Amino acid sequence: QVQLHESGPGLVKPSETLSLTCAVSGYSISSGYYWGWIRQPPGKGLEWIGSIHHSGSTYYNPSLNSRVIISVDTSKKQFSLNLNSVTAADTAVYFCARHQIGVAGVNWFDPWGQGTLVIVSS
Amino acid sequence: SSELTQDPAVSVALGQTVRITCQGVSLRSYYASWYQQKPGQAPVLVIYGKNNRPSGIPDRFSGSISGNTASLTITGAQAEDEADYYCNSRDSSGNHVFGTGTKVTVL
Repeated sequence: QVQLHESGPGLVKPSETLSLTCAVSGYSISSGYYWGWIRQPPGKGLEWIGSIHHSGSTYYNPSLNSRVIISVDTSKKQFSLNLNSVTAADTAVYFCARHQIGVAGVNWFDPWGQGTLVIVSS
Repeated sequence: SSELTQDPAVSVALGQTVRITCQGVSLRSYYASWYQQKPGQAPVLVIYGKNNRPSGIPDRFSGSISGNTASLTITGAQAEDEADYYCNSRDSSGNHVFGTGTKVTVL
């Protein structure tokens, strides 16, 4: 079955760039769907960060758009998140997920990775 | 702030029925999907589209829509259904957004 796994540094200094990678197994990224990033600050709700198609087409959350870049490497079966100029407010568990952006208004995220906690602190 | 509003918390007696709602103008144009999240775990998709359950999701979970309100109903709630539930859809600009979340307690 499809599995996703996030990896990257658990601690990032303020003003630096947060970089995470999501490895996909059991499904080819090139076969379709979008691939997304979602985050959850400690004790708070979910926030969509952005999503990418294997063609390179991207959608970003407007509130993060100026700081986010999501890229895909189909040969490595992975996609990545870069969030620059981080502050303490970017401390969160970061999840990756397969993202269906469908016609007729049907959208969903499934499955999800287990998540990785990133703390922004000096 | 989210354009999808959920009640912060609801409780249900074991074996009874609970409805969790998600309100937003954009729900007149887009379906909601629903996620269950238990402490320390990743969210799990439980309902998507008009009323579709992914493989492995019990049939006590169902979805519906009325006007600008989407609902997730758990019929015959079990102890293992105690969790946070989030709706997801698109906002008025077409951006993807999650609801504020509802904590379900099974008594």
